Amino acid sequence: SAVISQKPSRDICQRGTSLTIQCQVDSQVTMMFWYRQQPGQSLTLIATANQGSEATYESGFVIDKFPISRPNLTFSTLTVSNMSPEDSSIYLCSVESFGGGGDEQFFGPGTRLTVL
Amino acid sequence: AQRVTQPEKLLSVFKGAPVELKCNYSYSGSPELFWYVQYSRQRLQLLLRHISRESIKGFTADLNKGETSFHLKKPFAQEEDSAMYYCALSGPYGGSQGNLIFGKGTKLSVKP
Repeated sequence: SAVISQKPSRDICQRGTSLTIQCQVDSQVTMMFWYRQQPGQSLTLIATANQGSEATYESGFVIDKFPISRPNLTFSTLTVSNMSPEDSSIYLCSVESFGGGGDEQFFGPGTRLTVL
Repeated sequence: AQRVTQPEKLLSVFKGAPVELKCNYSYSGSPELFWYVQYSRQRLQLLLRHISRESIKGFTADLNKGETSFHLKKPFAQEEDSAMYYCALSGPYGGSQGNLIFGKGTKLSVKP
């Protein structure tokens, strides 16, 4: 299994500013993922972050808006740039690791972002 | 298009009653299906996956390819089952679980 922590747990930010969310895992993992959950919506994958390579973004998400770093096998950051109220969401980090029944995704506690 | 549909936002049952949380999917190929659960103030966690064909906390889910469904069932609901339940798919089996596609979730409320 994998235990994931995220910082900050929540934040309230002003329009036009940027916020960097940190994700720390207690074990080395190859694949890390960043999801967004907008109010009343399902979780949507933003990008996949593999160590040593550029993040792979899903349709509708771009690097300029959501730059990602993956400096090592236990850590990643997601930056939400030039924020607008539409960016108010819960942002979740997840990793793929071995669980009781095989490979599974483990999720962090999430970062609740409110943009005013 | 790949899609997961959970038609019920909220499902309320009494303790001891059977519960069924519905999930339908759209996917060209053979996806892997999952149910995730999020209890109050806890993180999202895997409940079960269709390839395991096991019962977790009394819950089971059968993949029906003909109906493209993966409904979650429990014969006797308990108060501690109250949580948010998300159906998700990835595909195909054996590949990375990356790019999980989630439904919008169903909030299960079990009343005493």
